[in-house]
This record gives sequence, C-alpha cells and structure tokens, in this order.
Amino acid sequence: QLQLQESGPGLVKPSETLSLTCTVSGGSITNTAYYWGWIRQPPGKGLEWIGNFFDGRNPYYNPSLKNRVTISADTSNNQFSLRLTSLSAADTAVYYCARDSFAFDIWGQGTLVTVSS
Amino acid sequence: EIVLTQSPATLSLSPGERATLSCRASQSVRSYLGWYQQKPGQAPRLLIHDASNRATGIPARFSGSGSGTDFTLTISSIEPEDSAVYYCQQRSTGWTFGQGTKVEIK
Repeated sequence: QLQLQESGPGLVKPSETLSLTCTVSGGSITNTAYYWGWIRQPPGKGLEWIGNFFDGRNPYYNPSLKNRVTISADTSNNQFSLRLTSLSAADTAVYYCARDSFAFDIWGQGTLVTVSS
Repeated sequence: EIVLTQSPATLSLSPGERATLSCRASQSVRSYLGWYQQKPGQAPRLLIHDASNRATGIPARFSGSGSGTDFTLTISSIEPEDSAVYYCQQRSTGWTFGQGTKVEIK
C-alpha cells in the first residue's frame, strides 16, 4: 500500500531556505497516472496548495509562492523535494506531501516547520 | 486564481441530523472538485472526488453534488465521529482549497 513520509528540519531561521523531502513507498513517483504535490497548513488555519509535479515535467506552483518555491524529483530514491527560500514567520506551518490522482487521495502525516530565530 | 468560498463557517448539529455544506467557486471548475475531512492533529482525508464520487472506504452517508460554480457536501445523518473541518478543493485551473467549514456535534 502506498505511503508517503515527509522529512526535514523542524526549525529554520528567518531569511533562510527550507528543504523538505517526501519519501514514497509502495509505489513509484514515475507512475504517469499521478501528480505529486506539497500542501501546507499554518497553525489553526486552512490548507494552502504549494505545488505539484507530473512525470518529470515542469512543476506547477501556487502563484503566491512561485518566486520562492522549487519542487524536484529524485527518481532513483523515489523521493520528491520542496525548497522554499526567504523564509518568514508566515511560512510556519505543517507541510504535507500527497499523491494527486483525481484529488489528493493519499497524504503523508505532515511535518511541522517553525520559522524562528 | 480560482477562489473557493465555503459556507457556513461553522455548523452545529445534533446526531442524526442532516448536514449541508456549500462551496462556491469564483469561476467554473466544471466537475473538478473534491471534499476533504480533517480532524485535529491528522492529515486531511479525501471524501469525494470529481464533485460526486465517494472515495474508497467512505461511508454512504457522505454525498457530493454540483457542477460549474456551486457544490454541496451532504452528510445524511450526522454521527459524533463526523465532528471535523471540511474543505473543498478544485483542480480545474491550478489547485486551490476553500477556507473550511467546521462541523460541531451537539
């Protein structure tokens, strides 16, 4: 059964860059039936889509984050990654990775990232 | 960017009552709309995809309807474990989420 697991630092300083990895098990990220994406949720707030990628093609990004975000794939390790630059306190959130078939049908458990000095 | 507006913000119901949640899109999303349930401390769970299709393992009391700009999630007879925040999400143009509806059980 497909599982996703986020990993990365729990605390990052303002102005620095966040790097998170999503490790996929039980299925391949090269499966062309699916997109793979990142979503985040600030504490006590709603969900915000960050970006998706599909079959190694150019990723799609939330326009509000487009200048700061990069999503990339490491097919040899069946992982995909999120890079978010110029962090501020507003980027403090639980970050989820998810598979997108006809919706985000399988999610990781999420990882809390706090931006603070 | 397509904006999704959910109403009401909070819904308080007694067990057995019918819950009706609304999601309105700023422009047509055809039928590319999903619904999610999120309980505290958990990742969201997909309930409905493509407006009216129940995801695997979702109880029949959950149903979705609508197309274009107006969508509804109905819980036919609400149970205590349905207490959660419910989000809609479109994938017609980019991907966006609504702001959520909190369902409370009296």
